[in-house]
Amino acid sequence: AQRVTQPEKLLSVFKGAPVELKCNYSYSGSPELFWYVQYSRQRLQLLLRHISRESIKGFTADLNKGETSFHLKKPFAQEEDSAMYYCALGTTSGSRLTFGEGTQLTVNP
Amino acid sequence: GAVVSQHPSRVICKSGTSVKIECRSLDFQATTMFWYRQFPKQSLMLMATSNEGSKATYEQGVEKDKFLINHASLTLSTLTVTSAHPEDSSFYICSARILAGTDTQYFGPGTRLTVL
Repeated sequence: AQRVTQPEKLLSVFKGAPVELKCNYSYSGSPELFWYVQYSRQRLQLLLRHISRESIKGFTADLNKGETSFHLKKPFAQEEDSAMYYCALGTTSGSRLTFGEGTQLTVNP
Repeated sequence: GAVVSQHPSRVICKSGTSVKIECRSLDFQATTMFWYRQFPKQSLMLMATSNEGSKATYEQGVEKDKFLINHASLTLSTLTVTSAHPEDSSFYICSARILAGTDTQYFGPGTRLTVL
């Protein structure tokens, strides 16, 4: 069975501080991991996916298969980063996504 | 690119009536669309996977006779909540996948359903 765990429902940091949103997954096959973001009153949108190995809006995430983690990091948080972040797990067969519970990030001035 | 729309954005209906929600991919063809339900301050729960031209695949615990899904074309999927009750009140979100074999999904803005 596929499972995604985001242990922090709420995360609050100050502007300019580093931020890390944790995500752990459980899946017996080869995973595809994603981070989606939902800003206030906006739709869910893709932030990044692990196979792209790219940095979007200063965020990066590295897939660690040994620790089954895909933590999202940004060295200097900005106020506009305040949003709900969802980690999602897909499969190589491309059938479905399993979402974590989400982490509400608040960046204080 | 990769824009998904939903209509209506919000709907209020009386208990016992049926409500249809449309999901459209505006600038691409989507062989697969997904329907999610989101309760306040909770994550998205997949309800069903909709493939163009075939029957939808429902997740465990989702009543297929209550939540009718039709995917008649490569750009349109509809979700009909039949005989709606107050407990069906929720935020319904659709997403579309551009290519088979990938998991990148593009999401609609959601539909807020309130059943009185």
